[in-house]
Amino acid sequence: DIQMTQSPSSLSASVGDRVTITCRASQTISRYLNWYQQKPGKAPKLLIFGASGLQSGVPSRISGSGSGTDFTLTISSLQPEDLATYYCQQSYTTPWTFGQGTRVEIK
Amino acid sequence: QVQLVQSGAEVKKPGASVKVSCKPSGYTFSSRNINWVRQATGQGLEWMGTINPNSGSTDYAQKFQGRVTITSDTSISTAYMELSSLASEDTAVYYCARAGYVSGWPGNDYWGQGTLVTVSS
Repeated sequence: DIQMTQSPSSLSASVGDRVTITCRASQTISRYLNWYQQKPGKAPKLLIFGASGLQSGVPSRISGSGSGTDFTLTISSLQPEDLATYYCQQSYTTPWTFGQGTRVEIK
Repeated sequence: QVQLVQSGAEVKKPGASVKVSCKPSGYTFSSRNINWVRQATGQGLEWMGTINPNSGSTDYAQKFQGRVTITSDTSISTAYMELSSLASEDTAVYYCARAGYVSGWPGNDYWGQGTLVTVSS
């Protein structure tokens, strides 16, 4: 199975800050990398597909980049509603494994 | 609009089985795989398996091989996930999610609301 490693596991930032989360795959996955946001008590929501594609309805302050094994999710200006846990997922091959998650808190 | 509606919470004893249903609407059921993902309390997301409702073919994570069975009934547009030999470690929220293609890239674009399965003696 492809292992996905996210860092950091948690972070605390102020409103307006730029936030970056990284995800590394244990083998190359081209751009088959998705990012999800999960708010407490809710199902995950797809934010980014194909490493950098913005899902419909997702604010443009959220972006993704990377290819191969190293990927990044960036929130350019953190907002209170961005309080959530973020997961990367590879869809290159089954099982579609997830990273362990990054919890984002607002200072 | 696309929706996936799951069955309600379950409480099971250790050693029992549980069967969770997932009924999508708003698209042609047979056109997209359905994945099952679980999440233990306070933990991350764990991919369990997938089914192609059109062909009935399945693919399971090795961790769950022999214990999970994913099926679908196209006549009622419903997918099912059955997990057997339950233990306390199986207490989790179980999600179904559509495996869609967004601009050609595969991902879970729609999710059910989740079903809490509690395993307790």
